[in-house]
Amino acid sequence: GAGVSQSPSNKVTEKGKDVELRCDPISGHTALYWYRQSLGQGLEFLIYFQGNSAPDKSGLPSDRFSAERTGGSVSTLTIQRTQQEDSAVYLCASSFIGTGITGELFFGEGSRLTVL
Amino acid sequence: GNSVTQMEGPVTLSEEAFLTINCTYTATGYPSLFWYVQYPGEGLQLLLKATKADDKGSNKGFEATYRKETTSFHLEKGSVQVSDSAVYFCALSLFYNQGGKLIFGQGTELSVKP
Repeated sequence: GAGVSQSPSNKVTEKGKDVELRCDPISGHTALYWYRQSLGQGLEFLIYFQGNSAPDKSGLPSDRFSAERTGGSVSTLTIQRTQQEDSAVYLCASSFIGTGITGELFFGEGSRLTVL
Repeated sequence: GNSVTQMEGPVTLSEEAFLTINCTYTATGYPSLFWYVQYPGEGLQLLLKATKADDKGSNKGFEATYRKETTSFHLEKGSVQVSDSAVYFCALSLFYNQGGKLIFGQGTELSVKP
C-alpha cells in the first residue's frame, strides 16, 4: 500500500484479555518499529525488526508483550492479560535501510487500545 | 543513557507570532537529530532533520540547527499559521543509516489562534 497500515484503529477490551495489533509496513521497507504513545508519556520505543536479524526487544515493558514479523513484512504486536496501564496508542513505523537512505521513519495512524 | 528533553506544552500563540520549541539531548554517541510533527487525526511525519554539528534542517518555514556545544536542536518558525497547530516531537537516532531506533522527547503541543 501507499503508507503504513495498522489495524484495528480502535480496540476496547476488558482487563485480563489478550489483544493483537497488526501492522502492514510500506512495501520494500526492511525495518519495522513499534512505539507506544501514552498521555503524558510521549513516545516510548517497544521493539524493532530489521531484515533477518534478531529483533531489538529492549523496549518491551513486560513479558506480557511480544511481537513477531512474518515473512519480513506484516507484524503483529500481542499483549497478553491486558492491564489498564496498557491503554495507549500503539504506533507502527517502517523505513528502508540501505545506501542513500534518509533515516526517515514512516508512521501509521496507530491503534488506540482502551483496557476497561 | 540517551534521552531527549523538550519544553512542556501546550504552547498557545497568535497567528504570525514567532515560535521556539526548545529541545536538548543526551547521547553516548554522535546522534542524528529530527523533528517530527503530528497533526490532529494524522500519523507522525518527518518535519526536518540534521545529521551533523552546525547543520540546519528546514522545511515548511521551520528551522532547527544542530548545536553540539549546547546539545540542542531548537525548532523555530518566524510566523506561525493556524495550520501549524499540532504536536511536535524532537528525536535522536544513533546509527540512523543502520536502522537505529528513534528516541523521542515528550512532545510539545502547539495551538495557533487566528
